[in-house]
Amino acid sequence: NAGVMQNPRHLVRRRGQEARLRCSPMKGHSHVYWYRQLPEEGLKFMVYLQKENIIDESGMPKERFSAEFPKEGPSILRIQQVVRGDSAAYFCASSPLFLAGGNTEAFFGQGTRLTVV
Amino acid sequence: TQLLEQSPQFLSIQEGENLTVYCNSSSVFSSLQWYRQEPGEGPVLLVTVVTGGEVKKLKRLTFQFGDARKDSSLHITAAQPGDTGLYLCAGAGDSGGGADGLTFGKGTHLIIQP
Repeated sequence: NAGVMQNPRHLVRRRGQEARLRCSPMKGHSHVYWYRQLPEEGLKFMVYLQKENIIDESGMPKERFSAEFPKEGPSILRIQQVVRGDSAAYFCASSPLFLAGGNTEAFFGQGTRLTVV
Repeated sequence: TQLLEQSPQFLSIQEGENLTVYCNSSSVFSSLQWYRQEPGEGPVLLVTVVTGGEVKKLKRLTFQFGDARKDSSLHITAAQPGDTGLYLCAGAGDSGGGADGLTFGKGTHLIIQP
């Protein structure tokens, strides 16, 4: 059973370009979470999606950032018109059940390291 | 304000010593998870604790969930260089009405010197 797969592992974008980060959850997992990690900071929650629905996007900037988890295919985190401050490691996690219920676990991918030049 | 406070933030000890890492919060969590992250990699799940007072052992690692489900500790016995890494605690379902994902502490950077 493959783990959470993220691609690309590394992504370089010039300021103003778009970045698209992909995440394929573990088989059987319908809950996907995106996190951002800056050096010397913890992982910050961005958005929680369940198939075709955004459940909680309270951690995601209101402008330029969007996320989707279509019925078929991976979850996508999209950053439009990237700026240098968007440079960070972006991690995706998946779980089989709703995390806040307490009886499940989240597994992380290896992350996408975005560098904006 | 950090919802989950981890201490110490940095710890460097000699091989063979014991250590404890703490994770504290004013919020109650339905579960708490410990992860270990190495440079350039994603967090790897070590353990999940759910019940107040629960103790789980993973070889030389002992995890405890506080009775009130607000805090947790990780104790490593006879630390080895292979234990070096960033240890993260993360809570789910916090009573403070936080986001539906996991809430992470900033982590403890652990270095075990041979």
